[in-house]
Amino acid sequence: GAGVSQSPSNKVTEKGKDVELRCDPISGHTALYWYRQSLGQGLEFLIYFQGNSAPDKSGLPSDRFSAERTGGSVSTLTIQRTQQEDSAVYLCASSLGRTSGNTGELFFGEGSRLTVL
Amino acid sequence: GIQVEQSPPDLILQEGANSTLRCNFSDSVNNLQWFHQNPWGQLINLFYIPSGTKQNGRLSATTVATERYSLLYISSSQTTDSGVYFCAVGVEYGNKLVFGAGTILRVKS
Repeated sequence: GAGVSQSPSNKVTEKGKDVELRCDPISGHTALYWYRQSLGQGLEFLIYFQGNSAPDKSGLPSDRFSAERTGGSVSTLTIQRTQQEDSAVYLCASSLGRTSGNTGELFFGEGSRLTVL
Repeated sequence: GIQVEQSPPDLILQEGANSTLRCNFSDSVNNLQWFHQNPWGQLINLFYIPSGTKQNGRLSATTVATERYSLLYISSSQTTDSGVYFCAVGVEYGNKLVFGAGTILRVKS
């Protein structure tokens, strides 16, 4: 697609439920990133994919969070047993991928706003 | 890890005024991007500028990598420039961009 596409744009869920957030990167971009932005805060790195592999999962806040990427394209971020502190905007970005140790220019989607009641 | 500091944290301008936003970073970088987050939350790419100077209309940016800072200039500000401006950096063989806390800009008509 022309840009990074995320769905749903908004999700309201009850505490304890599982949620799945989807990201469709720019066509041809091999690198994909998930970030989280809590209300009024900066962006917090969650996970990085190169192709279908996730060489850096260091930002996932707990084992309730997981992500996968299939076909080198679409990625799904899953949050199990959601808690109120999981409420945030979840942003996905993609880039052409690393060359010479550089991430390259990242392009972000519009985000998925998650509210946990 | 690398630290990224942005200043000022908040800025209020009258329409038509000029401004300079600063980004300091604590280590060598091979990637630096400036973003504008509009009131709807969308992150818009402004500049990919690990070094040197670039201009795009009323906006320009300069990164002095050897001195570990970057500047974003906004001239003749407009109300549509309001939002949060983020600086983000990447280090060699790093796997991500590290973001600063942002500068909140409000342009009044």
